[in-house]
Parts: sequence; structure tokens; C-alpha cells
Amino acid sequence: DIQMTQSPSAMSASVGDRVTITCRASQGINNYLAWFQQKPGKVPKRLIYAASSLQSGVPSRFSGSGSGTEFTLTISSLQPEDFATYYCLQDNSYPYTFGQGTKLEIK
Amino acid sequence: EVQLLESGGGLVRPGGSLRLSCTASGFTFSSYAMNWVRQAPGKGLEWVSAISYSGNNAYHADSVKGRFTISRDNSKNTLFLQMNSLRVDDTAVYYCAKFGSPYGWGQGTLVTVSS
Repeated sequence: DIQMTQSPSAMSASVGDRVTITCRASQGINNYLAWFQQKPGKVPKRLIYAASSLQSGVPSRFSGSGSGTEFTLTISSLQPEDFATYYCLQDNSYPYTFGQGTKLEIK
Repeated sequence: EVQLLESGGGLVRPGGSLRLSCTASGFTFSSYAMNWVRQAPGKGLEWVSAISYSGNNAYHADSVKGRFTISRDNSKNTLFLQMNSLRVDDTAVYYCAKFGSPYGWGQGTLVTVSS
């Protein structure tokens, strides 16, 4: 099974900051990597799929990069509505696996 | 627009059974694999099960293997999750989800396993 190690598990940042979250896969996943945002009490929302493709309707300040086993989600300039928990998901091979999550809080 | 509506959640005793359903619309259901994902209270997301477009291939997380069974009825655009031998740690919101494109995620149904 492929393990997804997401870091950091929590972080604090200020509005306007550039933020990067990383997911490392235990083996290559052919760029089948998605990023989700979840706010308290809400359904997860997909931001990025196929490692770097922006989901329709998602602001361009969100971007994804990486290949092979290391992937990053970058928020170029944090907005107040971006404070949430973020998860990566590998959907390359079963069993699919999520990262442990990164809780992004206001500094 | 992809729409997924789960139902069937509720309170069940440990060792009991429950069957979840997910009704899909807005896309050609019979052409795509489907998934169940769950989230225990205050915890992260956990992929549970997936099924191929035809229903011929099913996959389960180790945590539910042998207890849960995913299935589908393409004539009714409906996905199912049969959950047997339920345990307290199966308590979670269960989501129906379609990855890839078009993408969709249901609102979830709460399953509570408690004596």
C-alpha cells in the first residue's frame, strides 16, 4: 500500500503570506495526486487534481506541483477564507490514501 | 453538475449492520468508478471502498475488508455500501465521492455505532 506523508500537520500564517504544504508518497504515483480543502462542518472541496490541474472555480492563488513521490500545494497570498484543513490524496492505485491533513490557522 | 446524495445512516449497536445508498445524477453514472470515503469525528479523511464502472471490481481499505461490501446498480444510478459487524470505531460521516473528471462529493451521512 502507498503511504502519504503530509507536512506540516499544523501551521500558522498571516493574511498575505505564501504557504507551502508537502505530501510525500512512499512510492511513485504517476502524478495521481489531488489536494482538498475542508472547513469545519463542511464537505471537502477539491482544489487541485493530477498534481497541478486547478479545479474549475478555484482561485488562481492555489497551485500544485511535483512529480514522482513529492508534491506541494502552494497558496501564493493567503486570504482570510483560506484558513482550513488541507488534505492530499493519491488516486493512482488501490487502496487510495489520504495524507494526515494540515491545519492552517491564523497567526 | 455532478450531484451525489447519500442516505441510510443512523445509530446502530456494535456488531450490527447498515446499508448506505448514494443516488447520483448529472453525469453518466455507469461510465465511472465510484468511492466511499469516511471521516470520524474530529479526525481526517479515510478512503473506504471503490468500485469499477461495471461493478466487476471492488476494492476496500484493510480496516473494513471482510466486513464492508461496495456495490452498484447502474440501472438506478445508485451506489451502495453494505456494512456488517460494525464497530465503535466505524462511527463517522460517510461520503460518496467521484474522483477524476467530472468530480463530485456528496453531503455525507452519519453512522454512529454505539451501545
